[in-house]
Amino acid sequence: GAGVSQSPSNKVTEKGKDVELRCDPISGHTALYWYRQSLGQGLEFLIYFQGNSAPDKSGLPSDRFSAERTGGSVSTLTIQRTQQEDSAVYLCASSAGLHRTGNTIYFGEGSWLTVV
Amino acid sequence: DAKTTQPPSMDCAEGRAANLPCNHSTISGNEYVYWYRQIHSQGPQYIIHGLKNNETNEMASLIITEDRKSSTLILPHATLRDTAVYYCIVQRSNDYKLSFGAGTTVTVRA
Repeated sequence: GAGVSQSPSNKVTEKGKDVELRCDPISGHTALYWYRQSLGQGLEFLIYFQGNSAPDKSGLPSDRFSAERTGGSVSTLTIQRTQQEDSAVYLCASSAGLHRTGNTIYFGEGSWLTVV
Repeated sequence: DAKTTQPPSMDCAEGRAANLPCNHSTISGNEYVYWYRQIHSQGPQYIIHGLKNNETNEMASLIITEDRKSSTLILPHATLRDTAVYYCIVQRSNDYKLSFGAGTTVTVRA
């Protein structure tokens, strides 16, 4: 597609429920990233995919968080047993990959998650 | 990584050029200057980036000083839709853990 597409755009869930957030990166982009941004806070890196593998999962805050990417394209971020502190905007981004001429990262509009 | 310093806010009249400064005095030779912006409730939007030379695209121009210690983002004809927080960051080619500082809140007024 023309840009990074995320769904759902808004999600309200009850504490303890599982949620899945989907990301469709820019066509041809091999690198995909998940970040989150809490209200009034900065960006928090979660995970980086190169193709279908995730060489850097260091930002996932707990084992309740997981992500996968299939076919080198669509990615799903899953949060199990959601907690109120998980409420945030979850941003997916993609890039053509890490190379010596720079790594321009393009963001989606985000999935707003509210845990009540 | 080098840090950047930006003014916290600035106003601009609609239709006029907006010049946004950024200091990055400790930038390394392999670090690019990137500009992003974030309009309220939206994801960050890439604007432009450069290494040494001045750059221009359909959105903006980027002027980097010869010593690379500072840069200026120029929005040539600001519109109300350009009201946003603008972030200047320095980034190596293999960076992906982006970290935005406070940025400059730009308000375009009619």
